[in-house]
Amino acid sequence: DAKTTQPPSMDCAEGRAANLPCNHSTISGNEYVYWYRQIHSQGPQYIIHGLKNNETNEMASLIITEDRKSSTLILPHATLRDTAVYYCIVRVAISSGSARQLTFGSGTQLTVLP
Amino acid sequence: GAGVSQSPRYKVAKRGQDVALRCDPISGHVSLFWYQQALGQGPEFLTYFQNEAQLDKSGLPSDRFFAERPEGSVSTLKIQRTQQEDSAVYLCASRSSDPIKYNEQFFGPGTRLTVL
Repeated sequence: DAKTTQPPSMDCAEGRAANLPCNHSTISGNEYVYWYRQIHSQGPQYIIHGLKNNETNEMASLIITEDRKSSTLILPHATLRDTAVYYCIVRVAISSGSARQLTFGSGTQLTVLP
Repeated sequence: GAGVSQSPRYKVAKRGQDVALRCDPISGHVSLFWYQQALGQGPEFLTYFQNEAQLDKSGLPSDRFFAERPEGSVSTLKIQRTQQEDSAVYLCASRSSDPIKYNEQFFGPGTRLTVL
């Protein structure tokens, strides 16, 4: 799985958009970008994933650059409850019978400020 | 619609003691993963089950670590002769066989193990 690079920490004002960057310059054509987050004292939680098109769900939007070497997770209106460590993970899509465990880096500690 | 549960939430062990950590996955989830998370680090893969079969144990750090899932549901991670370096949060995750949800792992809250 390709390696990712994320800033160790970021702050965001409550109610503003939080934009979390991730570099994955060695991504392969069949590798997806996944985002998970981990709130303090909880297990990681899936947010979103994508291959090359931008994706949006009820939690966030994922913007992947055209060359797929970087991506940005956007939380459109950050709340205090969004304070967490955000992990960007690149891997091939899992298939039936494939273990495909997640390989976490150190992530970005996002702190939403009141 | 209960999520993944783990017990105990906290465990303190004296060095050399054996411990057993339990994971109850989401009902019907075929795949089950164990991860170890050291303080300030991301989780690291330990082992993977598909039903009762342990298909990958490449992440287990030593032969003191043993995992089982005898009936394909509940899983137990056992650590024998605990050492201080075993102190960490142990996370369990399960995954559905539903193709729509196949890309998502559901994590439990973890068990924080402290070895004195």
